[in-house]
Amino acid sequence: DGGITQSPKYLFRKEGQNVTLSCEQNLNHDAMYWYRQDPGQGLRLIYYSQIVNDFQKGDIAEGYSVSREKKESFPLTVTSAQKNPTAFYLCASSIGGLGEAFFGQGTRLTVV
Amino acid sequence: GENVEQHPSTLSVQEGDSAVIKCTYSDSASNYFPWYKQELGKRPQLIIDIRSNVGEKKDQRIAVTLNKTAKHFSLHITETQPEDSAVYFCAASKSRGGADGLTFGKGTHLIIQP
Repeated sequence: DGGITQSPKYLFRKEGQNVTLSCEQNLNHDAMYWYRQDPGQGLRLIYYSQIVNDFQKGDIAEGYSVSREKKESFPLTVTSAQKNPTAFYLCASSIGGLGEAFFGQGTRLTVV
Repeated sequence: GENVEQHPSTLSVQEGDSAVIKCTYSDSASNYFPWYKQELGKRPQLIIDIRSNVGEKKDQRIAVTLNKTAKHFSLHITETQPEDSAVYFCAASKSRGGADGLTFGKGTHLIIQP
């Protein structure tokens, strides 16, 4: 099941610690995205990147940071400034305006 | 920014009947409207999408309609089957193909009763 891979599937962290979620794709897609999914809330856009070394804030970027040093990789760091970090995080990629967004399997982050 | 409202939040239909899920959007500049299906514990997967220059699109048992004047779009599933049970999300984007990311509705839990 290649395409877009997120790791780990489950992640536990103590409150106040930063944590980085991995997202890798081998689809040669230019655009990559991070969404957060909470029960009953749908998916909300955190950050997106349309090209290497460039990224834009989405609707709920506060408390998160990203980097895009390689086309294949778009890691998301959940910082201690994020007030409610416990959630299901989904990474996606697309050709960049020409096709559908493909999602990874998600990382469920629990902060205790 | 864009706001997408989706109704109903839960929909239960008898197997073989039709199901309709409705969404409205707020930004008249939106021009791309995909629908995603998410089974329990799995990733969302695109099932159909429509662009603003088209009023209706059909793919076997699934169809989507778009009314740009009223700013609403709907998903229609005919002859429902047990495997159609899932959460369905509508979304909207101003950028071509959603390049700037998607704004999602809150989802509809579709339950197919045997």
